[in-house]
Amino acid sequence: EDKVVQSPLSLVVHEGDTVTLNCSYEVTNFRSLLWYKQEKKAPTFLFMLTSSGIEKKSGRLSSILDKKELFSILNITATQTGDSAVYLCAVGNTGKLIFGQGTTLQVKP
Amino acid sequence: GAGVSQSPSNKVTEKGKDVELRCDPISGHTALYWYRQSLGQGLEFLIYFQGNSAPDKSGLPSDRFSAERTGGSVSTLTIQRTQQEDSAVYLCASRLQGYTEAFFGQGTRLTVV
Repeated sequence: EDKVVQSPLSLVVHEGDTVTLNCSYEVTNFRSLLWYKQEKKAPTFLFMLTSSGIEKKSGRLSSILDKKELFSILNITATQTGDSAVYLCAVGNTGKLIFGQGTTLQVKP
Repeated sequence: GAGVSQSPSNKVTEKGKDVELRCDPISGHTALYWYRQSLGQGLEFLIYFQGNSAPDKSGLPSDRFSAERTGGSVSTLTIQRTQQEDSAVYLCASRLQGYTEAFFGQGTRLTVV
């Protein structure tokens, strides 16, 4: 059965800290891995990764994929209270997107 | 449209009634997904459309749930004889054919009382 597992499930840090969120997967016919940020209802897209070892960056956020070890990490440096959210990892195969349980990040002032 | 649009944004219904939830995807997006998210939980896959056909409907929890898509655009998720455990946020997403990002609507919060 296809599955996506995220860790940790929740995390509390202080502003300025750096965090690393993990996503491991076992999915047949892997095509892409996507990261989303969910603050209220709708998840908003962060990154899509298809190739191993190529880092994607957007401001303080970065992500990388390891297709051999079947995982991805999402790094957030110099965290701010606005980074508080649920971070979702999804893996796409030839059809559907399979989501992990999410990591709830709380950044305290 | 500019983004994925879902309606209604909130729906309160009595147990046993039928409800219809609508999703209007981004124009030109051929793939459309329905997910359900219960409070504090992750996204539970329900069904996936490619065009008007549904290659994967494995996530529909029971035969009370059905979905259709017409004209390769708007999709409707129907829940018959609603139960309290159906209460959740129902999210719709669309993507271009191929390996691209999926964009989500704002969701419909369904409450069954």
